[in-house]
Amino acid sequence: EVQLVQSGADVKKPGESLKISCTVSGYTFTTYWIAWVRQMPGKGLEWMGIIYPGDSDTKYSPSFQGQVTISADRSISTAYLQWSSLKASDTAMYYCARHYTRYDPVDYWGQGTLVTVSS
Amino acid sequence: DIQMTQSPSTLSAFVGDRVTITCRASQSISSWLAWYQQKPGKAPKLLIYKASSLESGVPSRFRGSGSGTEFTLTISSLQPDDFATYYCQQYNSYFRTFGQGTKVEIK
Repeated sequence: EVQLVQSGADVKKPGESLKISCTVSGYTFTTYWIAWVRQMPGKGLEWMGIIYPGDSDTKYSPSFQGQVTISADRSISTAYLQWSSLKASDTAMYYCARHYTRYDPVDYWGQGTLVTVSS
Repeated sequence: DIQMTQSPSTLSAFVGDRVTITCRASQSISSWLAWYQQKPGKAPKLLIYKASSLESGVPSRFRGSGSGTEFTLTISSLQPDDFATYYCQQYNSYFRTFGQGTKVEIK
């Protein structure tokens, strides 16, 4: 059974750093792209970027380039999304998801990680 | 970026109604379009891919159509479980973009 299991909710202060995770099972981690998607409270879905764990090729949507870092650890089948200095506007639910090739849809999603940034 | 525009933003309908949601792309995306359903507090669920292919396990009352820049999602007979928010997403580019969503509410 394919599963993407994300780390738990987190509450941080502005300026703090954070790294959230997405651990996969039920398929070969290195053969699917992992995407990160943001959903701000009451808003729609935003595509942040993707990583191919097989060779760590990473692509960021222009709006998120330089704002976050996406990485992966093949040894533990885990992808990460990290911030070096959080802002209140980073408060959102963050989903990881997978897709096979460039021309395949996202077919499995993680359960989401709620990040709250508040002073 | 390819912009995706969905309409309407909100739709009120009765159980049993036929509903249609439209999604327009700012440039041609061929048939590289997916539709997702999202319920409150849950991750999105894939319904339709490649514009008109039904994902395994999804009821046949969901139908997708279109190509190029104009796409539609039709629910032939709305069921209580279908009240949710629906998103289109283009995957013609690595920089995938979503429509703003259509909330389907009970009338």
